[in-house]
Amino acid sequence: KAGVTQTPRYLIKTRGQQVTLSCSPISGHRSVSWYQQTPGQGLQFLFEYFSETQRNKGNFPGRFSGRQFSNSRSEMNVSTLELGDSALYLCASRLAAKNIQYFGAGTRLSVL
Amino acid sequence: ILNVEQSPQSLHVQEGDSTNFTCSFPSSNFYALHWYRWETAKSPEALFVMTLNGDEKKKGRISATLNTKEGYSYLYIKGSQPEDSATYLCAFQSDSWGKLQFGAGTQVVVTP
Repeated sequence: KAGVTQTPRYLIKTRGQQVTLSCSPISGHRSVSWYQQTPGQGLQFLFEYFSETQRNKGNFPGRFSGRQFSNSRSEMNVSTLELGDSALYLCASRLAAKNIQYFGAGTRLSVL
Repeated sequence: ILNVEQSPQSLHVQEGDSTNFTCSFPSSNFYALHWYRWETAKSPEALFVMTLNGDEKKKGRISATLNTKEGYSYLYIKGSQPEDSATYLCAFQSDSWGKLQFGAGTQVVVTP
């Protein structure tokens, strides 16, 4: 069974641009969560999607948004990039009825 | 603001020695406590999900205990091996949705 797949693995953008990251969950998993890790910070929760609906949102500005498609794949978008958005972005999927979250390898975003 | 605390921040252990470290979390609104192992350049790997006060879980040489009344969990590594070198993260879950609140992690380095 394939694991959680995130694309791209690395991305370089400049300030003011926007970026879209993709996450394909494990087959059968309907919940996808997104996390950000910056140097000196732990993993910070961004949002969770289940059945194409955002169920939970962390404390991030509105520049951070996401969506989920009918096949459970999810995308995360960051608009008007700032230097501080440079981070590792991880997504995780889980079966709705179980608690274990399975993480992808992440997308490392650098904003110049 | 993290109110999930992990200590120590890092540990250096000789191969063959046993070690343990702590995760403290809010004692109210407890749903589950997760432990992850995160090796460099890899995805975080779920070790345990603990839901009941007094839970003890074991996976090979790694075990964990949970005290929800006082808000702490211990992770133990018995007979440490170099392949145990990783950052160990705990994460607090307050409801059935997927939002995890992570601690900053304990970095374990096992030297031969």
